[in-house]
Amino acid sequence: DGGITQSPKYLFRKEGQNVTLSCEQNLNHDAMYWYRQDPGQGLRLIYYSQIVNDFQKGDIAEGYSVSREKKESFPLTVTSAQKNPTAFYLCASSTQDRGNYGYTFGSGTRLTVV
Amino acid sequence: KQEVTQIPAALSVPEGENLVLNCSFTDSAIYNLQWFRQDPGKGLTSLLLIQSSQREQTSGRLNASLDKSSGRSTLYIAASQPGDSATYLCAAKNSGGGADGLTFGKGTHLIIQP
Repeated sequence: DGGITQSPKYLFRKEGQNVTLSCEQNLNHDAMYWYRQDPGQGLRLIYYSQIVNDFQKGDIAEGYSVSREKKESFPLTVTSAQKNPTAFYLCASSTQDRGNYGYTFGSGTRLTVV
Repeated sequence: KQEVTQIPAALSVPEGENLVLNCSFTDSAIYNLQWFRQDPGKGLTSLLLIQSSQREQTSGRLNASLDKSSGRSTLYIAASQPGDSATYLCAAKNSGGGADGLTFGKGTHLIIQP
C-alpha cells in the first residue's frame, strides 16, 4: 500500500542537540511538506519542497533545516537554534496536479526536549 | 494572508444526532478545501476534498459543502457514532501566491456521547 512513513514515532532531544526526523513516501508525489502542531494552535508550515533538490521556507523555518536529495525522502533536522522544539511534527505529500492537490499525511513524530 | 477559522472549537453531542462543523476562510483564491480527521496522538486522515469548482462532496455519512464567494465550508455528519469522536480540521489550498502548502484551521474537537 502507498503511504507516508515517519520515524521515529517518539524522539527525545537534549538541550543543544540536533535531531533528524525521517519522512519517506512511496506515492510518487512531487511535493513534500513539514508541519508543526502545538496544542491549541493549527498546523504551521515549516518547509516544503516541490521538486528534488529544491525546497522553500514556510512560515516558521527558523531553527530547522531540510534536504531533498531523493523524490521519496524529505528529512527534517531540528537544530539547537530552535528554542522551543517540543511539538508534534507531521510530514505530508501531494501531487502537483492542479486537478487534484489532495494531501496525504504521515502518522507524526512527537519530539520532546529533556 | 489566508486565515482559516473553525467554529465551534469543541462540540459534544449524543449518539445518533446529525451535526454540522463550520469552516471559514478569508481569501477565496483557493484550489480546493480539504477536511481531515485527527485522532489523539495520530496523523491526519483525509476525509473529503472539494475542488474550487465544486459545491459539495459526499462520502458515506459525511457531506462537505463549499461556497467560495462567502468563504465558507461545512462538514455535515449524519447519524453520529461514538467512533466519530476526533478532531476535525479544515484546510485551504491557496492559489493566490505565497508559500505552497495548506492553511489550516485550529480544528473542532468532537465528542459523541454513547
